[in-house]
Amino acid sequence: NAGVTQTPKFRILKIGQSMTLQCTQDMNHNYMYWYRQDPGMGLKLIYYSVGAGITDKGEVPNGYNVSRSTTEDFPLRLELAAPSQTSVYFCASSYALHGAEAFFGQGTRLTVV
Amino acid sequence: QKEVEQNSGPLSVPEGAIASLNCTYSDRGSQSFFWYRQYSGKSPELIMFIYSNGDKEDGRFTAQLNKASQYVSLLIRDSQPSDSATYLCAVIEAAGNKLTFGGGTRVLVKP
Repeated sequence: NAGVTQTPKFRILKIGQSMTLQCTQDMNHNYMYWYRQDPGMGLKLIYYSVGAGITDKGEVPNGYNVSRSTTEDFPLRLELAAPSQTSVYFCASSYALHGAEAFFGQGTRLTVV
Repeated sequence: QKEVEQNSGPLSVPEGAIASLNCTYSDRGSQSFFWYRQYSGKSPELIMFIYSNGDKEDGRFTAQLNKASQYVSLLIRDSQPSDSATYLCAVIEAAGNKLTFGGGTRVLVKP
């Protein structure tokens, strides 16, 4: 049982480059989330989705875009990378909202230089 | 004002003692509350959730919820060095569909 899978695990980007962080889950969960975690800090919500075709902004959406064409996949797109986007990115999913565990991927450590 | 607030710590406790962590939230209508544990360099993992006022116990962990005062706490009894981690409080607000985290409290259990 793979759970939530994120790729890549590590990436170094140059300022102005773009990339897509991949996230896929095999648990048929409707709810999916993207968080970023800066060193020594908590998780900040970037975008979330309550089902295929439905996405919404979280706390820190600027500089990012998402799509949710299938239940399984929730990619995060970074356009014009900036040093402020250096962080660890976590994707998570849950089958319901209230009282349901959110399962996390292993994270993507991104450095923008 | 941040939606979910925690003391960043570190909270240093001797082995065998009780660690007490607190979390306050701003949305009075919030309904579900979670505690996650995150080891350094790892992903968060769920310890427990609570949605009714009062206490909920699971092994050495007890979550306490007080909706009137808008706080939720976590007690770790008989703390072990393996409990050394960052503990994240998370809340689902009444009007939203999102899981919002606090900044986390770092706990250090010293042998």
